[in-house]
Amino acid sequence: GENVEQHPSTLSVQEGDSAVIKCTYSDSASNYFPWYKQELGKGPQLIIDIRSNVGEKKDQRIAVTLNKTAKHFSLHITETQPEDSAVYFCAAPQGGGADGLTFGKGTHLIIQP
Amino acid sequence: KAGVTQTPRYLIKTRGQQVTLSCSPISGHRSVSWYQQTPGQGLQFLFEYFSETQRNKGNFPGRFSGRQFSNSRSEMNVSTLELGDSALYLCASSDSYEQYFGPGTRLTVT
Repeated sequence: GENVEQHPSTLSVQEGDSAVIKCTYSDSASNYFPWYKQELGKGPQLIIDIRSNVGEKKDQRIAVTLNKTAKHFSLHITETQPEDSAVYFCAAPQGGGADGLTFGKGTHLIIQP
Repeated sequence: KAGVTQTPRYLIKTRGQQVTLSCSPISGHRSVSWYQQTPGQGLQFLFEYFSETQRNKGNFPGRFSGRQFSNSRSEMNVSTLELGDSALYLCASSDSYEQYFGPGTRLTVT
């Protein structure tokens, strides 16, 4: 099955700076890579995703890049704000033609005022 | 559209008991997946249902089971509860690639 590694586990940045979270995956057949944001007491919220036919996708201050050859993908958040503080998870499909995701261990992003 | 709803939101059970959790997906979504979230193991996939059929299953013991009804609502059951089953149980619904999560059910086993 798929294996997803995520780094770093904790990331502290100054408000206004950029944050980058990186993930690697093991199954070269994986074709969909979502990112989730989870705030305390809530379920994960889908914030951006990318499919394997593109190398980059951007939505306002958030972007995701994908390198299929190296089997890694990254989340970029620019001009960070206090409300960006949360735990972020990357994921890839379980495989086998069905839904279901394998998640990274998560990154606790802390925005310092 | 209304989001994914899960009931109950909080539950306290005793070791050895069984529990049933419920999930109502977003209207029109036919796939429901279940996940267990713990501080130590993170988010782990339990199983996925599509049109009342289990299509995929994670690496959990047989005490964990689920089902899906014709209206796409899903339930998961855990029998003979153990202390280690204390976790946040999340369900997610999808109609294609994107999965949308509910708020979860916090299960505490004492």
